[in-house]
Amino acid sequence: GAVVSQHPSWVICKSGTSVKIECRSLDFQATTMFWYRQFPKQSLMLMATSNEGSKATYEQGVEKDKFLINHASLTLSTLTVTSAHPEDSSFYICSARDWTGGEETQYFGPGTRLLVL
Amino acid sequence: AQTVTQSQPEMSVQEAETVTLSCTYDTSESDYYLFWYKQPPSRQMILVIRQEAYKQQNATENRFSVNFQKAAKSFSLKISDSQLGDAAMYFCAYMRGSQGNLIFGKGTKLSVKP
Repeated sequence: GAVVSQHPSWVICKSGTSVKIECRSLDFQATTMFWYRQFPKQSLMLMATSNEGSKATYEQGVEKDKFLINHASLTLSTLTVTSAHPEDSSFYICSARDWTGGEETQYFGPGTRLLVL
Repeated sequence: AQTVTQSQPEMSVQEAETVTLSCTYDTSESDYYLFWYKQPPSRQMILVIRQEAYKQQNATENRFSVNFQKAAKSFSLKISDSQLGDAAMYFCAYMRGSQGNLIFGKGTKLSVKP
């Protein structure tokens, strides 16, 4: 299957700082990527849909100014957690939409563990 | 709104045996996809199997197969010849054809006993 990378895999930061997470599709172009958040022992919750060349679409309850998303190219989307606070500590996962072979599938990155102190 | 329900928080199976994980969903759409993803302790989401709603034939991938009952809105996953490496969280997911985002169930934790 297609490969999606995510960087960094682990980040610890101080409260008030900003953290940028990168999501890359390595062997396919992805016009659409998604950002999810997962709390311990829970399912994945969609935060936003990232579209190349346009503004992201955020789910209800997700603060646009806090979670900045940029999809600057067909292989890269970034999520910036601005002025991070301890309650932002979580596991963030991106996925990329692939249409290869006429079959639509989403492939996931390995995730980023964020700890805000 | 679409919803996905996994009614089994935990399941256990003996190595080499067969286990079935349940999933039901609710939708009024006719064009959609269904997936099973596996999440091992590393937390990497791994695609196990996918099913297009318009296909009547059940999808299979080696030891993994689904029982897709469209009228009943049921999408169960059968794992045959279970292996220790199959131990993980399994998430059932729904995707509307035109939208692309996934809606996940709460997951089923599968344990495999040697």
